[in-house]
Amino acid sequence: ELKVEQNPLFLSMQEGKNYTIYCNYSTTSDRLYWYRQDPGKSLESLFVLLSNGAVKQEGRLMASLDTKARLSTLHITAAVHDLSATYFCAVDWGGGATNKLIFGTGTLLAVQP
Amino acid sequence: DSGVTQTPKHLITATGQRVTLRCSPRSGDLSVYWYQQSLDQGLQFLIQYYNGEERAKGNILERFSAQQFPDLHSELNLSSLELGDSALYFCASSVYGYSPLHFGNGTRLTVT
Repeated sequence: ELKVEQNPLFLSMQEGKNYTIYCNYSTTSDRLYWYRQDPGKSLESLFVLLSNGAVKQEGRLMASLDTKARLSTLHITAAVHDLSATYFCAVDWGGGATNKLIFGTGTLLAVQP
Repeated sequence: DSGVTQTPKHLITATGQRVTLRCSPRSGDLSVYWYQQSLDQGLQFLIQYYNGEERAKGNILERFSAQQFPDLHSELNLSSLELGDSALYFCASSVYGYSPLHFGNGTRLTVT
């Protein structure tokens, strides 16, 4: 059974600081997704990582994937308050046309002014 | 706005009852997924349909069932409800296997 673990579970950081969220998964997969969820809201797709070594960047967020290590990272650069949310990684366990995404536990990010 | 529509937004019902949650996918998306989000279980994959056919099954209880209709909308039926079924139920849709899932705003189910 595929297990997806994120750490930390909670991250309180000051504006302007950098930090990294880690996502480890237990079995082989070549597709990994990052999502953002604001309190009481839906999930918003941030990044789709489809191959080993993939790196995607959008604004202050950068995601990378190492399929050999079964590890993805979400790096936050110079955090701002608007980035406060819960971030989930999700690993595709289905293959092919099946997007059977197994989600991590989520990382609650609180950016303090 | 993701383009995925879920109704109702909130549902309060009693134990033992049966409810139906509805989802309309984004225009052009053939795949529909159902997820359950709760504080103790996190986000759990329930089931996927592709163009009317069941494609993948996750941790879906036997009391739960789903279907996707010819117009591609989907319904999730939850029966013999228990207190532990209280959760946020998300529907998502996608175009094909490698594309990201687009989530609806969810239906918050409260079982009393």
